[in-house]
Amino acid sequence: AQSVTQPDIHITVSEGASLELRCNYSYGATPYLFWYVQSPGQGLQLLLKYFSGDTLVQGIKGFEAEFKRSQSSFNLRKPSVHWSDAAEYFCAVGAPYGGATNKLIFGTGTLLAVQP
Amino acid sequence: GAVVSQHPSRVICKSGTSVKIECRSLDFQATTMFWYRQFPKQSLMLMATSNEGSKATYEQGVEKDKFLINHASLTLSTLTVTSAHPEDSSFYICSARDSAREWDNEQFFGPGTRLTVL
Repeated sequence: AQSVTQPDIHITVSEGASLELRCNYSYGATPYLFWYVQSPGQGLQLLLKYFSGDTLVQGIKGFEAEFKRSQSSFNLRKPSVHWSDAAEYFCAVGAPYGGATNKLIFGTGTLLAVQP
Repeated sequence: GAVVSQHPSRVICKSGTSVKIECRSLDFQATTMFWYRQFPKQSLMLMATSNEGSKATYEQGVEKDKFLINHASLTLSTLTVTSAHPEDSSFYICSARDSAREWDNEQFFGPGTRLTVL
């Protein structure tokens, strides 16, 4: 079955420290991969996405993610966290082909807290 | 670009009444929109896929007569919660696919609607 696992429900880091949020997926083929961020009471904003090519993907706000096929992982990283990064982060996978009704499968999310 | 709006952002209603939530793609056309429900501190649960000009596709366990979806134009989908009850209180989020970019599966999300049923 297709699924996305985010093992860390809640992570706290100090401002300026590095960050890695984990995401593992189960899919029949290499899916399209996404990371979204959600601030409290808001919708989701796309941080970055991977379709093919270079396995290290750069996104907005200084985030990057690395696709590792052998580990079925797509971990999100940031070298230096800012207080404004405190939010909920969702990893999602979608079918590896186009199509109007293709759905995204979301992980359960990781809530990031940033200590001053 | 790729902005999705939702209206209202918050709504409080009495039990038994119906509530309509609008989802609009402001600067692109969306043949397909999605409706999600999110409980506190939980992930998004897909309720249905809204298709312009045709019937919505509901996920298993979602009552289609309870959650009416209309996608009458390429920029507007509506979700009507009929005969709302307190257990319908939740955060409802819509998303839209850009019809010109359906190949990449990216969804653009609205800001969400907080529904409280008293």
